[in-house]
Amino acid sequence: QQQVKQSPQSLIVQKGGISIINCAYENTAFDYFPWYQQFPGKGPALLIAIRPDVSEKKEGRFTISFNKSAKQFSLHIMDSQPGDSATYFCAASESNFGNEKLTFGTGTRLTIIP
Amino acid sequence: DVKVTQSSRYLVKRTGEKVFLECVQDMDHENMFWYRQDPGLGLRLIYFSYDVKMKEKGDIPEGYSVSREKKERFSLILESASTNQTSMYLCASSRQRIAPVEAFFGQGTRLTVV
Repeated sequence: QQQVKQSPQSLIVQKGGISIINCAYENTAFDYFPWYQQFPGKGPALLIAIRPDVSEKKEGRFTISFNKSAKQFSLHIMDSQPGDSATYFCAASESNFGNEKLTFGTGTRLTIIP
Repeated sequence: DVKVTQSSRYLVKRTGEKVFLECVQDMDHENMFWYRQDPGLGLRLIYFSYDVKMKEKGDIPEGYSVSREKKERFSLILESASTNQTSMYLCASSRQRIAPVEAFFGQGTRLTVV
């Protein structure tokens, strides 16, 4: 079963606009929620992450919003740029003394058009 | 910079062949992972390892095995390749006992089974 559900599958946003990608999870033991960014021909790389003790985390133009009661979290990209065009994966893990494994969403292909 | 190197970018194999995918990391990470990436399905965990000679099944281990004889090297083995194993394979590593976990990925091996 899909433990982390991600939407939309693809997204086209105009340059300067806001890109929003949503994820929902079922396992209440998850306590770490990262987002990974993947450019064509490359492996995914960590972009930004949040723990459930805060409702929002911002790093530059990237913001994670977290709703613990709804078991949902989302990535917002402000002032989206063509260089943001990539595939984005949300993920989740539960604490396991450093032996955490990540469960990924299905990915969102983001295209920023001029 | 952390580097995770996968031995091949592209591979074409015949049905029934035994296939070896090799992964080496240079940051002395304890944890290593194999994922496969398919459109619409995201990244799915095949196997992982928290120590040398140790392995654990992920979400989709059927048809695969792994080997970890040295800390820096983690091999994925397709015992008898089938066409439904055509996919992008991603290796990742992370440091143990460091929270939150950050996985570092290789560039991937695109395997085609004909």
